[in-house]
Amino acid sequence: SAVISQKPSRDICQRGTSLTIQCQVDSQVTMMFWYRQQPGQSLTLIATANQGSEATYESGFVIDKFPISRPNLTFSTLTVSNMSPEDSSIYLCSVAVSSSNQPQHFGDGTRLSIL
Amino acid sequence: GQQLNQSPQSMFIQEGEDVSMNCTSSSIFNTWLWYKQDPGEGPVLLIALYKAGELTSNGRLTAQFGITRKDSFLNISASIPSDVGIYFCAVHTGTASKLTFGTGTRLQVTL
Repeated sequence: SAVISQKPSRDICQRGTSLTIQCQVDSQVTMMFWYRQQPGQSLTLIATANQGSEATYESGFVIDKFPISRPNLTFSTLTVSNMSPEDSSIYLCSVAVSSSNQPQHFGDGTRLSIL
Repeated sequence: GQQLNQSPQSMFIQEGEDVSMNCTSSSIFNTWLWYKQDPGEGPVLLIALYKAGELTSNGRLTAQFGITRKDSFLNISASIPSDVGIYFCAVHTGTASKLTFGTGTRLQVTL
């Protein structure tokens, strides 16, 4: 399966600032996704990152708060904007080789703490 | 939205014991996936199920796709310390491979 690298692996940020998380895959993939995992919780899908067009956001997540880019088939970024302590979570990138209900494979996540 | 309930929420077992956990929903799904998440890492795919009634093994792990398509089971035989972690079920929802995850089962193994 694809090797997925996320940067940074962790960060501690000040309230009101923004952080951009990068996701790099070692091979071209059709689908890329961003998830949030709040402390002690399960994973929740934030959005599907679409190559060359705006991301598709899930209910409860908006582009102004979580802008996403996907310039090509191997790279995507997620920005967490105007952060508050409630944004302290693990943010995970995942990929699927095709769009036809294939299993997703995950990076190791970015552990974000907001002071 | 859809909710996947996993049971038990957590379990403490002794090394060598067998483990059973399940995932249930009120909705029908066409695929069931099982992932394991170790501390500090992302979830890793264990088993994928695509057909109602399907029984699939991966080493000491065996998973079944429920015949009603509303549930799935994961069994671990002869547990070892490295089985410690959180086990999540997941299903494809909507279009384009989107996943919804279960609430998770936290497994602790004592020597």
